[in-house]
Amino acid sequence: DGGITQSPKYLFRKEGQNVTLSCEQNLNHDAMYWYRQDPGQGLRLIYYSQIVNDFQKGDIAEGYSVSREKKESFPLTVTSAQKNPTAFYLCASSIASVYNEQFFGPGTRLTVL
Amino acid sequence: GQQVMQIPQYQHVQEGEDFTTYCNSSTTLSNIQWYKQRPGGHPVFLIQLVKSGEVKKQKRLTFQFGEAKKNSSLHITATQTTDVGTYFCAGGSGGADGLTFGKGTHLIIQP
Repeated sequence: DGGITQSPKYLFRKEGQNVTLSCEQNLNHDAMYWYRQDPGQGLRLIYYSQIVNDFQKGDIAEGYSVSREKKESFPLTVTSAQKNPTAFYLCASSIASVYNEQFFGPGTRLTVL
Repeated sequence: GQQVMQIPQYQHVQEGEDFTTYCNSSTTLSNIQWYKQRPGGHPVFLIQLVKSGEVKKQKRLTFQFGEAKKNSSLHITATQTTDVGTYFCAGGSGGADGLTFGKGTHLIIQP
């Protein structure tokens, strides 16, 4: 089955701890994205990557970091510098660029206690 | 930066009634995409519009892109309970900034 996987589905962390969210795709897509979804806020872009070893900041990159060492993987680290990290995080991928259909993973719901 | 506004935020309809959500951008768009997110799920791509004045149909769904490429709409005819969810528009400006999503319209259907 082709698709995007995110793990875990639910994640709990203590305040002040860094946490890394996993995103893997086997669609052979070049572009990958991370979004944050809060109630009533829609989807806000955190980071995106159009090619391995390259990525760009989105609208709300502060307090987050990413890496793109492999085409299939785009992990997101939520650092202790992120002031309000509790949210639903969605990973997506697309062919070549942001102007193609984006395929979303099932999401990770992060709760910081 | 680019802003994409979507109205209404919530829409309650009786099953069988029509539904429309509107999307407006502060800047001219190169393309607009529409997604649907079911409760508890993730967004799923519905369609992309790229041409000025473009109209596309998918069964009971009609999508329009404005002549100035700054607004778009999604119209559902004769809603069904399976249409429940949040509908998002997402606009691209042709630059390297990626897509900007609207806040979505939550469609609630009363049987």
